[in-house]
Amino acid sequence: SQQGEEDPQALSIQEGENATMNCSYKTSINNLQWYRQNSGRGLVHLILIRSNEREKHSGRLRVTLDTSKKSSSLLITASRAADTASYFCATDPGGSEKLVFGKGTKLTVNP
Amino acid sequence: ETGVTQSPTHLIKTRGQQVTLRCSSQSGHNTVSWYQQALGQGPQFIFQYYREEENGRGNFPPRFSGLQFPNYSSELNVNALELDDSALYLCASSPPGLPPASREQFFGPGTRLTVL
Repeated sequence: SQQGEEDPQALSIQEGENATMNCSYKTSINNLQWYRQNSGRGLVHLILIRSNEREKHSGRLRVTLDTSKKSSSLLITASRAADTASYFCATDPGGSEKLVFGKGTKLTVNP
Repeated sequence: ETGVTQSPTHLIKTRGQQVTLRCSSQSGHNTVSWYQQALGQGPQFIFQYYREEENGRGNFPPRFSGLQFPNYSSELNVNALELDDSALYLCASSPPGLPPASREQFFGPGTRLTVL
């Protein structure tokens, strides 16, 4: 079963614009991780946010976590064509390190 | 530092056959997890190995089995292949020494298995 649900399923923007993706989950977590996947290849780890954190930044990425709403968002600022990929959130219910993924958001950044 | 590697990259098998996929974890990482990703879906957890012992299993039948070796590399074996086993199989490793809340998982490039 898939706990995380990303929203929207697909997003198309122009280069330079910001992209926001949301993730909702169902059970308590230790952390939430965001990954990027290009064309059905391996997952690239983007950022991990712990359950006691509310916001985290890494370069052009900003992640927020609201444990009361069981939701997270990933913001990519000043997007580039190279950001075109599928983005997944993954949670570890109960701190088991057995990640549960959503179906992902497919982001297209048009040059 | 070498990342997670997997072999082979692609594999084509026929229904009923058996397959072995291999994974070398990132240097020093003693936990290895396997995931199955069907087309258009997110990865689904198959099982995890820690210090050569299975440390949890997802909702997959017993014909999915695995091994972890003393050097922390790992194998995924699938017997009696079915058409629905066609997927990208991903291996991930995570380092020791951090609390679970801070432990990132690093993924390999995957093995694409096609069952005809």
